[in-house]
Amino acid sequence: KQEVTQIPAALSVPEGENLVLNCSFTDSAIYNLQWFRQDPGKGLTSLLLIQSSQREQTSGRLNASLDKSSGRSTLYIAASQPGDSATYLCAVASGNEKLTFGTGTRLTIIP
Amino acid sequence: DTGVSQNPRHKITKRGQNVTFRCDPISEHNRLYWYRQTLGQGPEFLTYFQNEAQLEKSRLLSDRFSAERPKGSFSTLEIQRTEQGDSAMYLCASSGGPRGMRDGYTFGSGTRLTVV
Repeated sequence: KQEVTQIPAALSVPEGENLVLNCSFTDSAIYNLQWFRQDPGKGLTSLLLIQSSQREQTSGRLNASLDKSSGRSTLYIAASQPGDSATYLCAVASGNEKLTFGTGTRLTIIP
Repeated sequence: DTGVSQNPRHKITKRGQNVTFRCDPISEHNRLYWYRQTLGQGPEFLTYFQNEAQLEKSRLLSDRFSAERPKGSFSTLEIQRTEQGDSAMYLCASSGGPRGMRDGYTFGSGTRLTVV
């Protein structure tokens, strides 16, 4: 059974700093990995999608990496802004096409 | 296409009542998923459809829960005889456009259910 872990559970950093969020998964036989953002009481917004054959994806200030063999992914946020405050969720898609989610990292950017 | 649409956004109901939620997926997607999220947790898989066929149901989906996707378009999730433990955010997602799984999942804004 696939299990996804996200560390840390919560993170507070001053505005302008770069930061890294971590995600690990137990079964390396994944189809792809997706990072989502969730604002309080809202749905999920897709940030980055990495296929199993890829090593990283970039979108603006966000960069996600994937090391399938070690079961790890990182989400790097450059030059953080208060608007980046949210919960970030990592999810892996396995052969059965279901997404397995971590419990998320709650990020607070301090102005 | 405006993405995945869910209605209602919020639902407050008394324990024991039945509730029904609706999800309209992205029109070109043939797969539709329901997830449930409780406070402080990641979403958990409930069930999914490929076109109109319900292919898998989680053990989380008790007999009080039923989902349908008539004609492979919108989907409904019904909860009968609601209990306080059913209070959660119910999320719908779709996938499977022209690029298939390579396009990942698109989620709706969710329906927040509160059972009082």
